[in-house]
Amino acid sequence: GNSVTQMEGPVTLSEEAFLTINCTYTATGYPSLFWYVQYPGEGLQLLLKATKADDKGSNKGFEATYRKETTSFHLEKGSVQVSDSAVYFCALSPIQGAQKLVFGQGTRLTINP
Amino acid sequence: DAGVIQSPRHEVTEMGQEVTLRCKPISGHDYLFWYRQTMMRGLELLIYFNNNVPIDDSGMPEDRFSAKMPNASFSTLKIQPSEPRDSAVYFCASSLGGGHAEAFFGQGTRLTVV
Repeated sequence: GNSVTQMEGPVTLSEEAFLTINCTYTATGYPSLFWYVQYPGEGLQLLLKATKADDKGSNKGFEATYRKETTSFHLEKGSVQVSDSAVYFCALSPIQGAQKLVFGQGTRLTINP
Repeated sequence: DAGVIQSPRHEVTEMGQEVTLRCKPISGHDYLFWYRQTMMRGLELLIYFNNNVPIDDSGMPEDRFSAKMPNASFSTLKIQPSEPRDSAVYFCASSLGGGHAEAFFGQGTRLTVV
Protein backbone atom coordinates (compact mmCIF):
# COMPACT_ATOMS: atom_id res chain seq x y z
CA GLY A 1 0.00 0.00 0.00
CA ASN A 2 0.87 3.68 -0.02
CA SER A 3 2.61 5.15 2.99
CA VAL A 4 4.79 8.07 4.09
CA THR A 5 7.41 8.02 6.84
CA GLN A 6 8.83 11.21 8.33
CA MET A 7 11.67 11.69 10.75
CA GLU A 8 10.62 11.68 14.36
CA GLY A 9 10.18 15.00 16.05
CA PRO A 10 10.18 17.29 17.75
CA VAL A 11 13.04 19.19 16.15
CA THR A 12 14.49 22.25 17.88
CA LEU A 13 16.97 24.55 16.16
CA SER A 14 18.45 27.98 16.62
CA GLU A 15 17.63 30.78 14.26
CA GLU A 16 19.69 30.74 11.03
CA ALA A 17 20.47 27.03 11.39
CA PHE A 18 20.20 24.61 8.46
CA LEU A 19 17.09 22.46 8.43
CA THR A 20 16.49 18.99 7.06
CA ILE A 21 13.34 16.98 7.67
CA ASN A 22 13.51 13.53 6.16
CA CYS A 23 10.63 11.95 4.29
CA THR A 24 10.49 8.59 2.51
CA TYR A 25 7.55 6.99 0.82
CA THR A 26 6.18 3.71 -0.43
CA ALA A 27 3.86 3.77 -3.40
CA THR A 28 2.91 2.01 -6.59
CA GLY A 29 4.20 3.89 -9.59
CA TYR A 30 5.25 7.51 -9.32
CA PRO A 31 3.03 9.53 -7.03
CA SER A 32 2.93 13.29 -6.61
CA LEU A 33 4.70 14.44 -3.45
CA PHE A 34 3.85 17.35 -1.16
CA TRP A 35 4.96 19.21 1.92
CA TYR A 36 2.24 20.86 3.97
CA VAL A 37 2.77 23.16 6.95
CA GLN A 38 0.47 23.70 9.91
CA TYR A 39 0.93 26.82 12.05
CA PRO A 40 -0.51 26.83 15.57
CA GLY A 41 -4.30 26.90 15.61
CA GLU A 42 -4.61 26.69 11.85
CA GLY A 43 -5.31 24.14 9.16
CA LEU A 44 -2.69 22.71 6.86
CA GLN A 45 -1.48 24.71 3.90
CA LEU A 46 0.56 23.62 0.93
CA LEU A 47 4.23 24.55 1.18
CA LEU A 48 5.58 22.94 -1.98
CA LYS A 49 5.06 20.01 -4.29
CA ALA A 50 6.71 17.91 -7.02
CA THR A 51 4.87 15.78 -9.53
CA LYS A 52 7.62 13.74 -11.19
CA ALA A 53 11.05 12.33 -10.53
CA ASP A 54 13.90 14.86 -10.18
CA ASP A 55 11.47 17.76 -9.85
CA LYS A 56 12.38 20.29 -7.20
CA GLY A 57 9.62 22.06 -5.34
CA SER A 58 10.46 25.35 -3.63
CA ASN A 59 8.70 28.06 -1.67
CA LYS A 60 9.59 30.57 1.07
CA GLY A 61 13.20 29.37 1.07
CA PHE A 62 12.22 25.72 1.52
CA GLU A 63 13.18 23.11 -1.06
CA ALA A 64 12.56 19.42 -1.65
CA THR A 65 13.66 17.19 -4.53
CA TYR A 66 11.71 14.16 -5.71
CA ARG A 67 14.22 11.27 -5.59
CA LYS A 68 12.84 8.19 -7.27
CA GLU A 69 15.93 6.06 -6.63
CA THR A 70 15.76 6.58 -2.87
CA THR A 71 11.97 7.12 -2.70
CA SER A 72 12.57 10.29 -0.73
CA PHE A 73 11.40 13.89 -0.60
CA HIS A 74 13.45 15.56 2.13
CA LEU A 75 12.60 19.12 3.13
CA GLU A 76 15.48 21.59 3.47
CA LYS A 77 16.00 25.24 4.31
CA GLY A 78 19.32 26.97 4.50
CA SER A 79 18.56 29.44 7.29
CA VAL A 80 15.48 29.03 9.45
CA GLN A 81 13.59 31.80 11.20
CA VAL A 82 11.49 31.84 14.34
CA SER A 83 8.42 32.23 12.12
CA ASP A 84 9.13 28.79 10.60
CA SER A 85 8.08 27.14 13.84
CA ALA A 86 5.21 24.84 12.88
CA VAL A 87 4.33 21.22 12.17
CA TYR A 88 5.42 19.94 8.77
CA PHE A 89 3.68 17.08 6.95
CA CYS A 90 5.00 15.10 4.02
CA ALA A 91 2.28 13.60 1.81
CA LEU A 92 1.80 11.67 -1.39
CA SER A 93 -0.99 11.33 -3.89
CA PRO A 94 -1.12 8.05 -5.79
CA ILE A 95 -0.94 8.14 -9.56
CA GLN A 96 -3.74 5.62 -9.82
CA GLY A 97 -6.80 4.79 -7.84
CA ALA A 98 -8.19 6.87 -5.04
CA GLN A 99 -7.63 10.58 -5.35
CA LYS A 100 -6.62 11.15 -1.76
CA LEU A 101 -3.54 12.39 0.05
CA VAL A 102 -1.61 10.00 2.29
CA PHE A 103 0.11 11.95 5.09
CA GLY A 104 3.13 11.23 7.23
CA GLN A 105 2.82 11.65 10.98
CA GLY A 106 4.11 15.21 11.00
CA THR A 107 7.28 16.77 12.44
CA ARG A 108 7.03 19.58 14.96
CA LEU A 109 9.72 22.22 14.41
CA THR A 110 10.63 24.86 16.98
CA ILE A 111 13.07 27.63 16.16
CA ASN A 112 14.62 29.50 19.08
CA PRO A 113 15.88 33.08 18.67
CA ASP B 1 -12.68 33.54 -2.02
CA ALA B 2 -12.85 33.13 1.74
CA GLY B 3 -11.32 29.67 1.66
CA VAL B 4 -12.77 26.55 3.23
CA ILE B 5 -15.09 27.53 6.06
CA GLN B 6 -15.78 25.25 8.97
CA SER B 7 -18.16 25.68 11.86
CA PRO B 8 -18.12 25.69 14.75
CA ARG B 9 -14.46 26.37 15.59
CA HIS B 10 -14.86 24.79 19.00
CA GLU B 11 -17.45 22.35 20.29
CA VAL B 12 -17.76 20.93 23.78
CA THR B 13 -20.42 18.33 24.29
CA GLU B 14 -21.39 15.62 26.72
CA MET B 15 -20.93 11.97 25.98
CA GLY B 16 -23.96 10.53 24.23
CA GLN B 17 -24.96 13.75 22.52
CA GLU B 18 -25.18 14.23 18.77
CA VAL B 19 -22.55 16.47 17.21
CA THR B 20 -22.71 18.01 13.74
CA LEU B 21 -19.71 19.62 12.10
CA ARG B 22 -20.17 21.78 9.03
CA CYS B 23 -18.04 22.65 6.04
CA LYS B 24 -18.34 25.01 3.10
CA PRO B 25 -15.73 24.17 0.44
CA ILE B 26 -14.16 26.62 -1.97
CA SER B 27 -16.55 27.42 -4.79
CA GLY B 28 -15.85 25.33 -7.88
CA HIS B 29 -13.88 22.62 -6.11
CA ASP B 30 -15.10 19.13 -6.94
CA TYR B 31 -13.42 17.14 -4.15
CA LEU B 32 -14.13 17.41 -0.44
CA PHE B 33 -12.24 15.59 2.29
CA TRP B 34 -12.88 15.13 6.01
CA TYR B 35 -9.83 14.49 8.24
CA ARG B 36 -9.39 13.89 11.95
CA GLN B 37 -6.24 14.90 13.81
CA THR B 38 -5.14 13.57 17.19
CA MET B 39 -1.83 13.42 18.97
CA MET B 40 -1.88 9.64 19.06
CA ARG B 41 -2.97 8.87 15.50
CA GLY B 42 -1.91 11.96 13.58
CA LEU B 43 -3.94 13.00 10.55
CA GLU B 44 -6.49 10.45 9.36
CA LEU B 45 -8.71 10.66 6.29
CA LEU B 46 -12.26 9.79 7.26
CA ILE B 47 -14.15 10.16 3.99
CA TYR B 48 -14.01 12.02 0.72
CA PHE B 49 -16.52 13.12 -1.90
CA ASN B 50 -16.25 13.80 -5.60
CA ASN B 51 -19.01 15.92 -7.12
CA ASN B 52 -21.06 15.44 -3.95
CA VAL B 53 -20.86 11.64 -4.12
CA PRO B 54 -19.06 9.73 -1.34
CA ILE B 55 -16.15 7.86 -2.92
CA ASP B 56 -14.27 6.31 -0.03
CA ASP B 57 -15.54 6.10 3.53
CA SER B 58 -13.17 3.39 4.67
CA GLY B 59 -11.64 5.74 7.23
CA MET B 60 -14.88 6.35 9.09
CA PRO B 61 -14.19 4.73 12.45
CA GLU B 62 -17.63 3.31 13.21
CA ASP B 63 -21.30 3.54 12.40
CA ARG B 64 -21.61 6.39 14.84
CA PHE B 65 -19.98 8.58 12.21
CA SER B 66 -21.80 9.71 9.09
CA ALA B 67 -21.13 12.35 6.45
CA LYS B 68 -23.29 13.97 3.82
CA MET B 69 -22.83 16.41 1.00
CA PRO B 70 -26.29 17.51 -0.13
CA ASN B 71 -24.88 20.04 -2.61
CA ALA B 72 -21.61 21.39 -3.92
CA SER B 73 -21.34 24.09 -1.28
CA PHE B 74 -22.07 22.23 1.94
CA SER B 75 -21.07 19.10 3.82
CA THR B 76 -21.69 17.78 7.31
CA LEU B 77 -19.96 15.25 9.53
CA LYS B 78 -22.19 13.86 12.24
CA ILE B 79 -21.31 11.81 15.30
CA GLN B 80 -24.17 10.14 17.11
CA PRO B 81 -23.76 9.26 19.91
CA SER B 82 -20.48 10.99 20.72
CA GLU B 83 -17.84 9.45 22.99
CA PRO B 84 -14.81 10.95 24.77
CA ARG B 85 -12.45 9.15 22.35
CA ASP B 86 -13.95 11.20 19.52
CA SER B 87 -12.24 14.29 20.95
CA ALA B 88 -9.98 15.62 18.19
CA VAL B 89 -9.59 18.39 15.66
CA TYR B 90 -11.67 17.72 12.56
CA PHE B 91 -10.56 19.30 9.29
CA CYS B 92 -12.41 19.73 6.06
CA ALA B 93 -10.45 20.26 2.85
CA SER B 94 -11.38 20.78 -0.76
CA SER B 95 -9.53 20.60 -4.06
CA LEU B 96 -10.06 20.96 -7.76
CA GLY B 97 -9.17 17.72 -9.46
CA GLY B 98 -8.44 15.32 -6.64
CA GLY B 99 -5.35 14.25 -4.78
CA HIS B 100 -2.79 15.53 -7.27
CA ALA B 101 -4.09 19.03 -6.89
CA GLU B 102 -3.49 21.28 -3.93
CA ALA B 103 -5.87 20.61 -1.07
CA PHE B 104 -7.10 23.69 0.79
CA PHE B 105 -7.85 23.11 4.45
CA GLY B 106 -10.27 24.84 6.75
CA GLN B 107 -9.18 25.99 10.19
CA GLY B 108 -10.72 22.95 11.80
CA THR B 109 -13.24 22.23 14.51
CA ARG B 110 -11.83 21.30 17.90
CA LEU B 111 -14.24 18.80 19.42
CA THR B 112 -14.16 17.92 23.09
CA VAL B 113 -16.49 15.23 24.39
CA VAL B 114 -16.72 15.12 28.18
